[in-house]
Amino acid sequence: QQKVQQSPESLIVPEGGMASLNCTSSDRNVDYFWWYRQHSGKSPKMLMSIFSNGEKEEGRFTVHLNKASLHTSLHIRDSQPSDSALYLCAASRGTNAYKVIFGKGTHLHVLP
Amino acid sequence: GGIITQTPKFLIGQEGQKLTLKCQQNFNHDTMYWYRQDSGKGLRLIYYSITENDLQKGDLSEGYDASREKKSSFSLTVTSAQKNEMAVFLCASSTQGDSDYTFGSGTRLLVI
Repeated sequence: QQKVQQSPESLIVPEGGMASLNCTSSDRNVDYFWWYRQHSGKSPKMLMSIFSNGEKEEGRFTVHLNKASLHTSLHIRDSQPSDSALYLCAASRGTNAYKVIFGKGTHLHVLP
Repeated sequence: GGIITQTPKFLIGQEGQKLTLKCQQNFNHDTMYWYRQDSGKGLRLIYYSITENDLQKGDLSEGYDASREKKSSFSLTVTSAQKNEMAVFLCASSTQGDSDYTFGSGTRLLVI
């Protein structure tokens, strides 16, 4: 059973639209969440991390975390074609963790 | 800035062959990781190394060996390649225990 579940598997949004990606952990011991972005043929790059309840914003990207439900979401406003990529959610038990569990990812396609 | 280099970028092997993938980083990071990325399955941890000469098994270690002879390098060996196996192997590094990973660009493996 996948311990980090992401939805949807694939998402299509028009340029300028809002993309919303979801991630939930079934491991109640995790308390840190990470979002990585992987463009086709490239390596994953860390976008944002969150460990406190609430939200965190960086430019067009906003991450929410609900620790009670172990659910995090990533929202991209004013989506651009360059945002088209595989978005990976990862969870860990603190930042001092050697084993991070990754989800399967959400493929985001932004149509010009 | 540092860099993490994986060689080769593409690897084609025959069934039963022993194949070695290499990873070098100049961040002076303590911890290094090998992940396997299959389509639709996210990233799965094969081996990690907390420091030089240390080896720890991940969830997918069967069929693989690893070697960390220097702090800057981490090798992965596929002990007996399986036919029709196709995956991307990603190397990553981080400061000791930190979950903020830097990934290499990957080695794409095809077994014929």
